[in-house]
Amino acid sequence: GENVEQHPSTLSVQEGDSAVIKCTYSDSASNYFPWYKQELGKRPQLIIDIRSNVGEKKDQRIAVTLNKTAKHFSLHITETQPEDSAVYFCAATPSGNTPLVFGKGTRLSVIA
Amino acid sequence: DVKVTQSSRYLVKRTGEKVFLECVQDMDHENMFWYRQDPGLGLRLIYFSYDVKMKEKGDIPEGYSVSREKKERFSLILESASTNQTSMYLCASSLWFEEKLFFGSGTQLSVL
Repeated sequence: GENVEQHPSTLSVQEGDSAVIKCTYSDSASNYFPWYKQELGKRPQLIIDIRSNVGEKKDQRIAVTLNKTAKHFSLHITETQPEDSAVYFCAATPSGNTPLVFGKGTRLSVIA
Repeated sequence: DVKVTQSSRYLVKRTGEKVFLECVQDMDHENMFWYRQDPGLGLRLIYFSYDVKMKEKGDIPEGYSVSREKKERFSLILESASTNQTSMYLCASSLWFEEKLFFGSGTQLSVL
C-alpha cells in the first residue's frame, strides 16, 4: 500500500524567513496530494492541495510543488509569521477508491 | 460550511468499559472516517465508511468497531476499553476520497 514519508519532523524558522516541508510517496498511481494545518488544540484544516496533472500551485504565501517522476511533493511557506506555527500534515491518495494516507507531521515554529 | 460534530470533547472511562464515540456531519457526504492522533505518529486511520451500512478497516482497526446506520452518523465503538486506547480521536467526512476532508473538533479519550 501507499507509504508517505514527511521531513523534517520539527522545523524552527525566524519570522520572515521561508519554510519548506518535504514528503515522498510510494504509489506511482497516486494523484491527489493535500496539505493540512493543525493549530494547537484545533482540528486539521486543508490549506492547499495539488493534483497530478499540475506541477505547482500557489495561494498567497503558500505554494506546493509536485515531482511525479521522483514521487515527492513539497510545501513552501514564504515570509513566515507567528500564526504559521502549527503542525503540518502532507497526504496522498493511493490508486482506486481508497482514503488518504498521511505523513507523520511537521511541527513548525516561527520565532518572532 | 460543512459541520462535523463529535459528541464529546473529553471522555474519561475505566478499563473494560464499552465506549461509544459519535460523529455527525451535515453535508450529505458519502465518506466518513475515524482517525486516531498520537504525538509523533500522525493521523492513523481506524475505520472508514463510503456508504450507509458499509465499513472498511483502516490501518489500526484492532480493538475497535464502527456503525453507520444513517448517512450522517458514524459511530466508533471500543468494545472493551484499554489504557493503550487513550488518545485523541478525530472524525472526518468528505464527498469523495480525492476531495477535502472536514474534521470534527476531536474527542480526547482517557482510559484509566
